Amino acid sequence: GAGVSQSPSNKVTEKGKDVELRCDPISGHTALYWYRQSLGQGLEFLIYFQGNSAPDKSGLPSDRFSAERTGGSVSTLTIQRTQQEDSAVYLCASSSRGTNSGELFFGEGSRLTVL
Amino acid sequence: GENVEQHPSTLSVQEGDSAVIKCTYSDSASNYFPWYKQELGKRPQLIIDIRSNVGEKKDQRIAVTLNKTAKHFSLHITETQPEDSAVYFCAANPQGGSEKLVFGKGMKLTVNP
Repeated sequence: GAGVSQSPSNKVTEKGKDVELRCDPISGHTALYWYRQSLGQGLEFLIYFQGNSAPDKSGLPSDRFSAERTGGSVSTLTIQRTQQEDSAVYLCASSSRGTNSGELFFGEGSRLTVL
Repeated sequence: GENVEQHPSTLSVQEGDSAVIKCTYSDSASNYFPWYKQELGKRPQLIIDIRSNVGEKKDQRIAVTLNKTAKHFSLHITETQPEDSAVYFCAANPQGGSEKLVFGKGMKLTVNP
């Protein structure tokens, strides 16, 4: 597609349930990022992929959070045993630059609400 | 790790006025400083960036200045228009080579017609 695609756009779940958020980056972009945006907060870094490997997962808040990327393309962010504080917009971004910083192209985000 | 502070958190100006948003960073090795604009309900988009080998960069009504000694950089918007109303985020790359960007908390700019 022309841009970064994320699904679902909206997800409402009950506390304790697992959720999966999907990101389809721009074709050919080797770098993929997950950020979290809580109400009134900035963009909180979660994890970064270069190809299928994750050189930096330092932002994952707890071991309930995990992410994978397959085929150097689609990525899935999984949150197990969701808590109310997990409610936020989860933004995915991709970039074509390898080892040099360049523009991040963001998706529209997945809004997660944990009841 | 890198800490990016942004201020003010909100700013309201009259159409035609200038607006300045300031950011500070902590990692002296950072060498890439982008600014992203997020309109209400939309995705963040890059509007301008600057690398550490220059002190200023301009693009029409927006400009960014960088002071590496003081570890701060600023976004300047001149002749503001209502469509400039948005949340603006500054960012820096920790360790100067990492792909990770650390963002500030954002500043909500309102341009009143």
